[in-house]
Amino acid sequence: QVQLQESGPGLVKPSQTLSLTCTVSGGSISGGTNYWSWIRQPAGEGLEWIGRIYTSGSTNYNPSLKSRVTISMDTSKNQFSLKLSSVTAADTAVYYCARGVYYDSSYYFDYWGQGTLVTVSS
Amino acid sequence: DIQMTQSPSSLSASVGDRVTITCRASQGIRNYLAWFQQKPGKAPKSLIYAASSLQSGVPSKFSGSGSGTDFTLTISSLQPEDFATYYCQQYKSYPITFGQGTRLEIK
Repeated sequence: QVQLQESGPGLVKPSQTLSLTCTVSGGSISGGTNYWSWIRQPAGEGLEWIGRIYTSGSTNYNPSLKSRVTISMDTSKNQFSLKLSSVTAADTAVYYCARGVYYDSSYYFDYWGQGTLVTVSS
Repeated sequence: DIQMTQSPSSLSASVGDRVTITCRASQGIRNYLAWFQQKPGKAPKSLIYAASSLQSGVPSKFSGSGSGTDFTLTISSLQPEDFATYYCQQYKSYPITFGQGTRLEIK
């Protein structure tokens, strides 16, 4: 069974860069027809899709965050990462990583990490 | 962006009840619709994909239907562990978007 685990600092200062890593076990991030995604959820609010990276390495980002987001992957470590620059308090949220699996000409999320809380504060 | 609107925003029901949650897309998304369950402090759990296909391991008390712009999630014979927040999500086009959630509470 595929498992995903987020890791990274729980506290980031305003204007700095948030960096998180998702470690995947039980399957290769470079195998299959999948993509790997980041989603976030501010406390008490709904879910916001941040972006995704395909096994080919190509990426898509939410236009609302595109100027500040970079998603990359390290196949040797079976990990993919999120960098969000110039953070503010509005970026405080639980950050999830998830797998998108190919089905019927598109992809749906099947596995999620447990989430990690990132607080932006000085 | 495709807007996803769920109704109701919250719902009270009793153990043993059958409930239905509705999700409407601002434009047609064929059947590229998923449903998730989220309990407090936990990650979302995938229930349904392709509008009506049950994720492996999810009990058949959960069912989904719809196509185009209107979708429903039905949960039959509610049990205490079913009380949670439910989200719909479209994956027809980028960016991926979610509904605002429906909180299912015990009456």
